[in-house]
Amino acid sequence: GNSVTQMEGPVTLSEEAFLTINCTYTATGYPSLFWYVQYPGEGLQLLLKATKADDKGSNKGFEATYRKETTSFHLEKGSVQVSDSAVYFCALSNAGGTSYGKLTFGQGTILTVHP
Amino acid sequence: DGGITQSPKYLFRKEGQNVTLSCEQNLNHDAMYWYRQDPGQGLRLIYYSQIVNDFQKGDIAEGYSVSREKKESFPLTVTSAQKNPTAFYLCASSMSGEETQYFGPGTRLLVL
Repeated sequence: GNSVTQMEGPVTLSEEAFLTINCTYTATGYPSLFWYVQYPGEGLQLLLKATKADDKGSNKGFEATYRKETTSFHLEKGSVQVSDSAVYFCALSNAGGTSYGKLTFGQGTILTVHP
Repeated sequence: DGGITQSPKYLFRKEGQNVTLSCEQNLNHDAMYWYRQDPGQGLRLIYYSQIVNDFQKGDIAEGYSVSREKKESFPLTVTSAQKNPTAFYLCASSMSGEETQYFGPGTRLLVL
């Protein structure tokens, strides 16, 4: 079956530090990969996505590259801000067959950025 | 403004009581989903529906029921058979043929 593994959190950084949150996956075929962000007390918002190998998703200074050879989709940002404090979820969607439209999520990584 | 609304924001359930969580979308999306979020466990799929009057069980459907009588609405009932209902419940929707899901603000269910 499909699974997503994220690096253990929580992650605490100072403002303007470099961020990496690791994400690896197990899936058959060619899944699409996503990063979602959840601010305190809110639902999830799509941050970025990639649909095929070597694609790079980017948004709001965040980037992630779909690496099929390492089955990874690590999230990076060059300079974090206090407003980036949130929970980040890596997810995959394996279109086709009986799993069409279903997202499989990692456990989430809590990011706290201090001034 | 198009989007997904969930109500109420907080819901309290007494022992043996069924409660219903509302999810409405005006995005004209065909598919709708219900997830449960527990601390440190990510999101788990409860039920999903690809079209009106049809729905499928997800990974943790026991103790829950749904209906899909209208395209815009996908209410979730937490029955008394669900012994550990305290969680944050998230509704999502997507266009047919699209993998990206869009989420509502969530409902937090607490047991009295």
